[in-house]
Amino acid sequence: DGGITQSPKYLFRKEGQNVTLSCEQNLNHDAMYWYRQDPGQGLRLIYYSQIVNDFQKGDIAEGYSVSREKKEYFPLTVTSAQKNPTAFYLCASSTSWDTEAFFGQGTRLTVV
Amino acid sequence: AQSVTQLDSQVPVFEEAPVELRCNYSSSVSVYLFWYVQYPNQGLQLLLKYLSGSTLVKGINGFEAEFNKSQTSFHLRKPSVHISDTAEYFCAVSIINTGTASKLTFGTGTRLQVTL
Repeated sequence: DGGITQSPKYLFRKEGQNVTLSCEQNLNHDAMYWYRQDPGQGLRLIYYSQIVNDFQKGDIAEGYSVSREKKEYFPLTVTSAQKNPTAFYLCASSTSWDTEAFFGQGTRLTVV
Repeated sequence: AQSVTQLDSQVPVFEEAPVELRCNYSSSVSVYLFWYVQYPNQGLQLLLKYLSGSTLVKGINGFEAEFNKSQTSFHLRKPSVHISDTAEYFCAVSIINTGTASKLTFGTGTRLQVTL
């Protein structure tokens, strides 16, 4: 089945540690996105990538980094510079011309 | 820049009753409009979208929405809800710009709680 796989589903880290969230899609989509979800705030765009080896900052990129070395993968690193990293993170993808984004099941990150 | 407002953070409703979830948007350019549903601890699933054409859009699970350009609204409706419709609903917009990534701007969500 085609889709977007995020792993792990739950992730715990100590404060000050970097952590990488995995996102893989087999939909052959060119564009991929990372969103952060906090209670009562909806979803906010962190980073997005339209093609391999290219990515752009979203609305809340500070404290995050990404890479896009292969079309299928778009990992997100939450660095120690992110002041409040505990959140639900969602990865999405879309074709470069279509407007519908498909979402993964999310990773819940808890930093203690 | 565009923004989306979902004024109702929670909407309680009895099973088999009708429901309307409100969404208003603001944008200086034309946008596409979407409604997504999220069940607990899961990703988002597209309910319906408005790209062009008829302003009444039908989606999955019996939901429909009407685009009103003059009121900049895209309210979601269902004539008779079921317990399984209990979820978080998000309205979103993206700028019409062919050939680029479809970045979404989301509202803060409306929690639909269906009870017996």
